[in-house]
Formats: sequence, structure tokens, C-alpha cells
Amino acid sequence: ELKVEQNPLFLSMQEGKNYTIYCNYSTTSDRLYWYRQDPGKSLESLFVLLSNGAVKQEGRLMASLDTKARLSTLHITAAVHDLSATYFCAVDRETSGSRLTFGEGTQLTVNP
Amino acid sequence: EPEVTQTPSHQVTQMGQEVILRCVPISNHLYFYWYRQILGQKVEFLVSFYNNEISEKSEIFDDQFSVERPDGSNFTLKIRSTKLEDSAMYFCASGRAGEQYFGPGTRLTVT
Repeated sequence: ELKVEQNPLFLSMQEGKNYTIYCNYSTTSDRLYWYRQDPGKSLESLFVLLSNGAVKQEGRLMASLDTKARLSTLHITAAVHDLSATYFCAVDRETSGSRLTFGEGTQLTVNP
Repeated sequence: EPEVTQTPSHQVTQMGQEVILRCVPISNHLYFYWYRQILGQKVEFLVSFYNNEISEKSEIFDDQFSVERPDGSNFTLKIRSTKLEDSAMYFCASGRAGEQYFGPGTRLTVT
């Protein structure tokens, strides 16, 4: 059974600080996805990481993938309040159309 | 920019009733999915659909659930006899290969 684990599950940080969210997974998949979810809303795609060593950046968020360690990180730089949300990582099985298996999510709160 | 749409946004039903949740996927996508998210929990896969048939389903997707793509644009999830524990947000998603795009969700409340 494919397992995806995130930590921390809850993160409260101050504006301007840096932090990293970790996502470990149990399969050999080379495809990892990060989504953002605001309360009561849908899942917004942030990053798709498709190979070992992939690094993608958008604004204050940077995601990376180490397939050998089965680990992805989502790094937050100089956090701002607007980044407050729940962040999910997800993995699929590399076959076309396969399901996504999600982690439990990291609820991020950025305090002024 | 094309997006996945879902109706209704909120459905309240009594236990034992049938509900149909509707989705319009992005038009050139080939794969369609239903996921659910119980309040405060992670997103769980229910079923995937490709080439007019179910390609994969989870253990949650038992005989009370069914999916259809009746007219080439809509994609529906039917729950035949709802239970209290079916209360959740139901997300439809569509994709080609790789990335999946999620709809806004239908909040189902079973009373």
C-alpha cells in the first residue's frame, strides 16, 4: 500500500521567517505533486515534480524532489500572511491516469 | 482558462436517499476522477474513469457508488443510499497524463 507522510501537520510561523515542509512516500514513483487548499475551497496545483533532483520555484515557495530518498520538500521563504493555507503533497504510480495518493496535509498559519 | 466545474456546490440529503453529483471536466482531458475529503482529513481517492469505463477504484467505492459519463461532457457520481458517514466534500478532477485539475467540490451533508 502506497503511503505518503507529511510533517509537520501543523505549522505556525511568523511573517518573514523561513520553514520547510517535508513529504515522505513509500513508492518508487518519480512524480510528486504539491497542492494548496484554502478553507472550504478546492485544491490548487502548485508544483509538479517529474524527476529526481527536480526543483521548482514560484514566489516564496520552492519545491524539490529526491526520488532516491523518496522525499520532497516545500520550502517557504520570508513567509507572508497570504501563504496561510493547508498544503498537500501527493504521489501517483507513474502510469497514465493513475490515482493520486495524498499526504495528511500541513496546516500553515502565518502570523503578522 | 478552462476549468473543472461541479454542481451543486452544496447538497443536503436524508440518510437512505440517492444523490447524484455532477461534474463537467475540462474538454480535451481523457481521465476523470472522483475524490472525497471528510472535514479536516486528507483527500481520498474514490474512482478513476477512462475510455468510458472504470479504470481503478478504491475500497471506499463499494456497491452504493456508481459513475457515468452519460453524454460525453458530464461526469456523474451517484450514491444510491446515503449514510451519515458519506458526509464529505466530493471533488471531481480531470487530466490527460500526469497532472490532475480539481473542481471546486460539492459539499454533501447527510442528515
